[in-house]
Amino acid sequence: QIQLVQSGPELKKPGETVRISCKASGYTFTTAGMQWVQKMPGKGLKWIGWINTHSGVPKYAEDFKGRFAFSLETSASTAYLQISNLKNEDTATYFCARRGTGTNYAMDYWGQGTSVTVSS
Amino acid sequence: DIVLTQSPASLAVSLGQRATISCKASQSVDYDGDSYMNWYQQKPGQPPKLLIYAASNLESGIPARFSGSGSGTDFTLNIHPVEEEDAATYYCQQSNEDPYTFGGGTKLEIK
Repeated sequence: QIQLVQSGPELKKPGETVRISCKASGYTFTTAGMQWVQKMPGKGLKWIGWINTHSGVPKYAEDFKGRFAFSLETSASTAYLQISNLKNEDTATYFCARRGTGTNYAMDYWGQGTSVTVSS
Repeated sequence: DIVLTQSPASLAVSLGQRATISCKASQSVDYDGDSYMNWYQQKPGQPPKLLIYAASNLESGIPARFSGSGSGTDFTLNIHPVEEEDAATYYCQQSNEDPYTFGGGTKLEIK
């Protein structure tokens, strides 16, 4: 069965860097892109962007350009989200989600979420 | 960016009745005769779950009491009959054009 398993919760200080992992299993990793979504406390879902797992080309929403970066370790079927120069407002739960094939690019499988808390 | 406006922001529906959620897009999310509108359910502490893709296609494993309709800029999610376990926040999302924006969410309470 298809699963996305994310790394554990993170507590960071402003200015630090965090890297979240998302390990996929149950399908061929390079056949479906990986999307990332932010859920801030008490707010709605926000699409960060996605990475083509075949070519490695990322695409970011405007609000997330600069400090947010996607990467891949294809041999380990793992996608990463790195956030640098953390700010208090980056406190949120971050989800990876598979860019579905045959579902008009809907997010058909999701990781369990990784909580990132930024506090001095 | 395509803006998705969901309404209502919250609603309370009696057990066994119908819940209807609307999602209006600032521009068409159709392409080549297909609608790129999706619906998700999220409960506290859980990741979102895909319910409906391409406006009206029920995702595998989702109960048939969930249904989606619409095209172009106007879309609707219906839940009938509503059950206790349907208490959650529902989001529409378009996957036609980067960035793949979400609606603001609709919180459903079961009376």
